[in-house]
Amino acid sequence: GQNIDQPTEMTATEGAIVQINCTYQTSGFNGLFWYQQHAGEAPTFLSYNVLDGLEEKGRFSSFLSRSKGYSYLLLKELQMKDSASYLCAVRDRNSGAGSYQLTFGKGTKLSVIP
Amino acid sequence: GAGVSQSPSNKVTEKGKDVELRCDPISGHTALYWYRQRLGQGLEFLIYFQGNSAPDKSGLPSDRFSAERTGESVSTLTIQRTQQEDSAVYLCASSPGGGGLLGELFFGEGSRLTVL
Repeated sequence: GQNIDQPTEMTATEGAIVQINCTYQTSGFNGLFWYQQHAGEAPTFLSYNVLDGLEEKGRFSSFLSRSKGYSYLLLKELQMKDSASYLCAVRDRNSGAGSYQLTFGKGTKLSVIP
Repeated sequence: GAGVSQSPSNKVTEKGKDVELRCDPISGHTALYWYRQRLGQGLEFLIYFQGNSAPDKSGLPSDRFSAERTGESVSTLTIQRTQQEDSAVYLCASSPGGGGLLGELFFGEGSRLTVL
């Protein structure tokens, strides 16, 4: 199985930069995802990492270190609409079941203040 | 439709009743997941279907929960003899494939279940 840890809550100022960390333990790592979930809505895909390094997509970047079991999501030029929960999810290759199970962390609730 | 469709969007039931939740995935998506999200909590994996392979049921919390999928189309999640702790949003997601470089999940809007 997996053990995924991320901070419960974070607060940051509009226009600033915030980094949301995620650590994980898994036996068959097959990719790490970040999702955004606004209150009362379904999660939406932000980023995907399977190799070590930084993936940049506009104001959002995601980093992965497989040897450390560590990822972060970096949000730049924060906007009020970025207030949401950010979910780290790890895909595990469960060779026994022949499936690719995607397990989510509990999410980090980000509040952006003026 | 273009996205994942779930029904009903809201369901209120009495303790002890059975409920059935439906998910219609994006056409062509071979992978389908069910998750449960209690208020203020993260997503809890329930079950995963991939094509015609045996489903991964490792997340189902008890034998009151079951799910079926016909081929690569509609899935139903059934909860028998509902309990108050079953109250949650049940999210369905589909994906183009089980592995590969991009297994992005597309989520439905969820079915909010309230057990009185």
